[in-house]
Amino acid sequence: DAKTTQPPSMDCAEGRAANLPCNHSTISGNEYVYWYRQIHSQGPQYIIHGLKNNETNEMASLIITEDRKSSTLILPHATLRDTAVYYCIVRPNSGGSNYKLTFGKGTLLTVNP
Amino acid sequence: DAGVIQSPRHEVTEMGQEVTLRCKPISGHNSLFWYRQTMMRGLELLIYFNNNVPIDDSGMPEDRFSAKMPNASFSTLKIQPSEPRDSAVYFCASRTKVAGDDFHEQFFGPGTRLTVL
Repeated sequence: DAKTTQPPSMDCAEGRAANLPCNHSTISGNEYVYWYRQIHSQGPQYIIHGLKNNETNEMASLIITEDRKSSTLILPHATLRDTAVYYCIVRPNSGGSNYKLTFGKGTLLTVNP
Repeated sequence: DAGVIQSPRHEVTEMGQEVTLRCKPISGHNSLFWYRQTMMRGLELLIYFNNNVPIDDSGMPEDRFSAKMPNASFSTLKIQPSEPRDSAVYFCASRTKVAGDDFHEQFFGPGTRLTVL
């Protein structure tokens, strides 16, 4: 699996947009970018995923650069409940190894009042 | 839906004892995963079942660990004998196939926090 690089921590003011970057310069053509988050003392939670187009759902937006070597997860209006560790993961969406989620250290996002 | 259910939520045991962790996946999901999370190693995949069959157990640390999935609605992870270094949070996750090779994302349970004294 391609590796990802994320900043270890970030801060964000409540109500402001949180922009979490991720570098995945060795991503392969069949690999998607996935984002999960883990709130303290809970299991990881799926947020969003994408291949090359920008994606948006009720939780967040995912912006992937044209060369696919990096992406940004955007939480448009961060709340205190968004404080969590955010994991950026790349993996194939089909084929024999598409079940593997390789979690790195992620980014600890702290939303401040 | 109740989500993935794990029991117990907390377990404290003494070194050498047998520990059994339990998981009930989301109804209709055909894949099940066991993960372990520690401060040192982060979140690691231990074993993956598809349609109740173990597909990848390369993450199981050693022979003291075993996992079973006797039916689609139940799985166990057993540690015998347990050691202090097994102390961790163990997560179970499940997912279902959408169409073709596409899959829904993994849904994680709340975890079991294991402490081996």
